[in-house]
Amino acid sequence: DQQVKQNSPSLSVQEGRISILNCDYTNSMFDYFLWYKKYPAEGPTFLISISSIKDKNEDGRFTVFLNKSAKHLSLHIVPSQPGDSAVYFCAASALFQGAQKLVFGQGTRLTINP
Amino acid sequence: EPEVTQTPSHQVTQMGQEVILRCVPISNHLYFYWYRQILGQKVEFLVSFYNNEISEKSEIFDDQFSVERPDGSNFTLKIRSTKLEDSAMYFCASSRTEQSSYEQYFGPGTRLTVT
Repeated sequence: DQQVKQNSPSLSVQEGRISILNCDYTNSMFDYFLWYKKYPAEGPTFLISISSIKDKNEDGRFTVFLNKSAKHLSLHIVPSQPGDSAVYFCAASALFQGAQKLVFGQGTRLTINP
Repeated sequence: EPEVTQTPSHQVTQMGQEVILRCVPISNHLYFYWYRQILGQKVEFLVSFYNNEISEKSEIFDDQFSVERPDGSNFTLKIRSTKLEDSAMYFCASSRTEQSSYEQYFGPGTRLTVT
């Protein structure tokens, strides 16, 4: 099941610079997308979401961009901080089709270097 | 800030035994979920629960699994006869259904080890 893919297993960024995490999806029925952050031995923590009727959503240092024609979304973190080091998961749902489940990508491990 | 809690944090059991994993969702949430993550793999959906019944379940959620909301606060996942391949982190999540509040909030997880 590869409906949601995060092709970069890891990413290393200098503190203060921009981190860009990417996610692709194949199911055109997905209409709601979320990013989660996960530290070891903890559950996923909700970061930011976007509905398919939008192409951008911003919350502080975090911005999610959605390109529906390319079935691609990205998470931008500016500026990156050492506390941002974690595994980031992209997730999608076919919310308006009545499905509540989230389909997750494999995750990208982000490391912020001082 | 309200959060989802799960107990126990780690459960070790022998193959064939029954286990019950417990969750307390956020109090004003209406939808409840169980997910699992086998070591090194993706987080996978198991089941969603609303209005005291299952609203959606995955292929993984077979007859060995059941969920229950025995009272107004707890939400449980029961595995009737555990198998080695049930070893995983099990995450409970909850969400509201008001407009723009569909985000699911996860608990810290229960690590289940089947020996």
